[in-house]
Amino acid sequence: DAKTTQPPSMDCAEGRAANLPCNHSTISGNEYVYWYRQIHSQGPQYIIHGLKNNETNEMASLIITEDRKSSTLILPHATLRDTAVYYCIVWNNQGGKLIFGQGTELSVKP
Amino acid sequence: NAGVTQTPKFQVLKTGQSMTLQCAQDMNHNSMYWYRQDPGMGLRLIYYSASEGTTDKGEVPNGYNVSRLNKREFSLRLESAAPSQTSVYFCASSEPGLAGKGYFGAGTRLSVL
Repeated sequence: DAKTTQPPSMDCAEGRAANLPCNHSTISGNEYVYWYRQIHSQGPQYIIHGLKNNETNEMASLIITEDRKSSTLILPHATLRDTAVYYCIVWNNQGGKLIFGQGTELSVKP
Repeated sequence: NAGVTQTPKFQVLKTGQSMTLQCAQDMNHNSMYWYRQDPGMGLRLIYYSASEGTTDKGEVPNGYNVSRLNKREFSLRLESAAPSQTSVYFCASSEPGLAGKGYFGAGTRLSVL
């Protein structure tokens, strides 16, 4: 499974867009990019995933570069409740295991 | 649907004691996982089960055993607990065909004295 690199922490003003980057330069063709978040002391929560195309759901948008070596999770209007650790995971659909890295601790400030 | 249920929620053990953490899911998922999370750290995979009757080691399997009793249940056993196993333990399951989309339990907070 490919490794991911994320900044350890980021700040965002409430109401602004939060853009969380992830580098996965060794990703292979059958590997998906998944994003999770973990609000303090709770179990991680699935946010979104993608293979090649950009994706959007009710929680966030996922932008994957054309070469697939990096991606950005976008929370369009961050709220205080979005303060959490965000994990970017690369997973393959042939027996891949969900391996979490260190994630990015996002602090949304008033 | 309850989702992923873990029991117990809290446990205190003495060094050398044994215990089993229970996990059950009611979503008919094939894949199930056990993770541990130490304070200020990310999640580390202990064991993984792709389907009933199969298990595979993760990143930190030493000191643990698992049983995939049936499709619903995946238990984690500490045979002789050590203080280094003090952690929060999370169980997860994931959808058939979309096994990267995991659903997590609320966690078991374990202290080994």
